[in-house]
Amino acid sequence: KAGVTQTPRYLIKTRGQQVTLSCSPISGHRSVSWYQQTPGQGLQFLFEYFSETQRNKGNFPGRFSGRQFSNSRSEMNVSTLELGDSALYLCASSTEVARTDTQYFGPGTRLTVL
Amino acid sequence: GQSLEQPSEVTAVEGAIVQINCTYQTSGFYGLSWYQQHDGGAPTFLSYNALDGLEETGRFSSFLSRSDSYGYLLLQELQMKDSASYFCAVRGDKIIFGKGTRLHILP
Repeated sequence: KAGVTQTPRYLIKTRGQQVTLSCSPISGHRSVSWYQQTPGQGLQFLFEYFSETQRNKGNFPGRFSGRQFSNSRSEMNVSTLELGDSALYLCASSTEVARTDTQYFGPGTRLTVL
Repeated sequence: GQSLEQPSEVTAVEGAIVQINCTYQTSGFYGLSWYQQHDGGAPTFLSYNALDGLEETGRFSSFLSRSDSYGYLLLQELQMKDSASYFCAVRGDKIIFGKGTRLHILP
């Protein structure tokens, strides 16, 4: 079974631009969660989707948004990029509503904002 | 609010045993998980405790005490490849991860 895939793997943007990241979960997984990882801050929860519905949202500004499609693929969008948005963005999929015992992570997208 | 606390760094010797602690404060609790992340890699699931007690998976064991809001990951017979960051995570109202413990292993 193929693992979680994320595209692109690396991205360089400038301040003020917007970016869209994509995540394809493991086949059969209906839950996708997104995290931002920065040095020293661990993984910070962005949002969680299950069957196209956002079930939970972390404490991030409205510039961060996401969606999930009927095939469970998910995208997240960051508008009006700031330097502080430079981070590794990870998505994770699971079979149920993001029980942390069954999350499988993708390789991440490394976003650099200049 | 919700929070997890774990040490930022731990150092141990190859072949030894090391314990990484995690204390949590959450609104609601469904279980405590542990993940390993090597530099440049993605987090990978190690273990999960929903009930009090010890869960053993090979060289790794994880313990949970819900009354103390405390858990730990125990790594035995340490190998150099165990050098990585280890994260505890809980799901309460939301999913939260600790900031990670960097494990250094000395030969």
